[in-house]
Amino acid sequence: KQEVTQIPAALSVPEGENLVLNCSFTDSAIYNLQWFRQDPGKGLTSLLLIQSSQREQTSGRLNASLDKSSGRSTLYIAASQPGDSATYLCAVSRQTGANNLFFGTGTRLTVIP
Amino acid sequence: KAGVTQTPRYLIKTRGQQVTLSCSPISGHRSVSWYQQTPGQGLQFLFEYFSETQRNKGNFPGRFSGRQFSNSRSEMNVSTLELGDSALYLCASSYDSYEQYFGPGTRLTVT
Repeated sequence: KQEVTQIPAALSVPEGENLVLNCSFTDSAIYNLQWFRQDPGKGLTSLLLIQSSQREQTSGRLNASLDKSSGRSTLYIAASQPGDSATYLCAVSRQTGANNLFFGTGTRLTVIP
Repeated sequence: KAGVTQTPRYLIKTRGQQVTLSCSPISGHRSVSWYQQTPGQGLQFLFEYFSETQRNKGNFPGRFSGRQFSNSRSEMNVSTLELGDSALYLCASSYDSYEQYFGPGTRLTVT
C-alpha cells in the first residue's frame, strides 16, 4: 500500500525566506505527483503537477522536483510571503493512472511578516 | 470556465440518518473523485466515477456509495450516519487521468 509522508509537519519562517517542503512515498510506481495548498476550512488548490517521466516543474516562485527512484519530491518556495501561509499537501497517483490520489499528511506553513 | 462546485457547503445530520452530497465538475471533465478529510485520518480516497461507471473504490464501508449522471455530475450518499462520518467531503474533477481540480468541499457534522 502506498504511504506518503511529509516533513516537517509544521514550519514557521520570516517573510522573504526561501524554503523547502519534503514529500516521500513508499511505492515508486507512480503515474504523477501533485502539490496542493489548502487554506483553513477550504478545498485544495492545485499548485504543480509532475508526470512520472519529468524531473521538475516550475510556476512563478514555486519549483517542484521529483526523484521517482528514491521516492522523493520537494517543493521549493522562493521569497516567501505571508499569503503563502497554508497547509501544503503532496499526493501521488498509481501507475495505472487512475484518479485515486494518495495524500501525505501535509506541512502547515506560517510566514511571519 | 467555472470551477468544481459542491452543494451543500454545510450540513448537520443526526446519527442514523442518511445524506446526499452533490458535485458538479468542470465542463468537459469526465472523471469525478470523492475524498474524505478528517483531522485524524487526513485525506482518504472514497471512489472515482468516469463516464457514469465507478472506476476505482477506496477502503470504505458499503454505507458510502455514489453515482454519476450523463452530464458528469456526481452524487455521493452516506447511509446510517455515524459520528465518525463527520468530515470535510471533497470532490475533484479531471479530464481523464491527469491533473485533478478540487471543489470547496461539504462540511458534514453528525450529532
